[in-house]
This record gives sequence, structure tokens and C-alpha cells, in this order.
Amino acid sequence: QKEVEQDPGPLSVPEGAIVSLNCTYSNSAFQYFMWYRQYSRKGPELLMYTYSSGNKEDGRFTAQVDKSSKYISLFIRDSQPSDSATYLCAMSALSGTSYGKLTFGQGTILTVHP
Amino acid sequence: KAGVTQTPRYLIKTRGQQVTLSCSPISGHRSVSWYQQTPGQGLQFLFEYFSETQRNKGNFPGRFSGRQFSNSRSEMNVSTLELGDSALYLCASSLGRTNQRTDTQYFGPGTRLTVL
Repeated sequence: QKEVEQDPGPLSVPEGAIVSLNCTYSNSAFQYFMWYRQYSRKGPELLMYTYSSGNKEDGRFTAQVDKSSKYISLFIRDSQPSDSATYLCAMSALSGTSYGKLTFGQGTILTVHP
Repeated sequence: KAGVTQTPRYLIKTRGQQVTLSCSPISGHRSVSWYQQTPGQGLQFLFEYFSETQRNKGNFPGRFSGRQFSNSRSEMNVSTLELGDSALYLCASSLGRTNQRTDTQYFGPGTRLTVL
């Protein structure tokens, strides 16, 4: 079983919809949570990061972490065609043995159609 | 501020050859991490370098190696290439501070390696 599970989709929604992307994890040592967006033929781009349970909002994006359930989510409001990309959740443990290592989910392919 | 750069962007090699990929981190960043991305396995951590020292290593065979120079630029080498090494190789840079709460990784565009 993988340490981080993410539904690969694909997910197709109409413009303006609310999108919900989710990841579950099994490693209790994970303390730092990130969402990256990756367009085709590009490197991942950091969208949001958080290290505590609860919600964090940035424009149309809201990241949610529930450490008790080992579950994280990313919500996209008023989705746009330009949001069409692969969304990757990533996590790291705050310990010396985890230097520089992010553990990623498989990525969810999102398409927002006009 | 310039982002992370990787060269070359595309590479075609044949089985048995070796390859060297290069990564220049964001100015001021001292940590460079390397990842392999494939459709089947997703993004997998290869290794991390900080101040010219490898601090962490993923579960890849010894054919995969790297190094970091005093200016924080890093290279990754793969020897005796196999078909399964075809992938997008990504590097990411960060400040490298031990307090990882603020040690966010920024990725380069990647090097697409095809092994024939």
C-alpha cells in the first residue's frame, strides 16, 4: 500500500463548478502538506502549503487538513478552463531523516470545460 | 528572481549508455532534491543534496547518483541506462533549513529522458 493515496480521476467539470480533490495518507509522521499543480510538459508549481489541521484559504483555493483522519483536501471555487491540469498532493515528515523528501500522491487529472 | 533551471530539456539515449542531467537552483537556495516522474509510479524521490553533501536517498539502485557543487548547482547521473529509466526527471530547490515548516520546494521544468 502506498503511503499517500490520491484518486487519479480523470475529473471533468463545467466552468464555474466547485472542485474537490482529496488525498489520504498512512504515515503519522507527515506534518507538512502541500498541493502542487502541473501543466502538461511543465514542472509542478506550488499552490498551497500548510502544517496544521484546519483550513487555509488563498483566493479561489482552500486547503483542508484533518490529521486525525489522515485526510487532506483542496477545493477550487469558480473553476476556470485555465485550472485544467494535474493536481498533486505532497507531504513531508519534519525529521532529520526526511531532508528534502516529499512523498507525492499519484495526481488527479482535472479538466474544466467551458 | 530566476526559477529553477534544468538542462537539457530533452534527451534520447540507448540502453547501456550513461547520462548526466544538470540543475541550477534558485539563487540563495542550498538544497537540491531530485525526483523521477513516470505514468505508472508518479513522482518518486531520488536524493537530496545540501552544501555538497547527500543528506537523504530514496529507494533507487546505485546506477543513480548525484553531486552538488559549491555554487549549489547539482548534477544527476544515471549509468547503464535501462528502458525503464525513461521518465521526466525533476529537480527542486529549497533553502534547506532544518525547520522544514518553511522549507518549501520549487521545481524546475524537468528533463525528459527517453531510453531506446
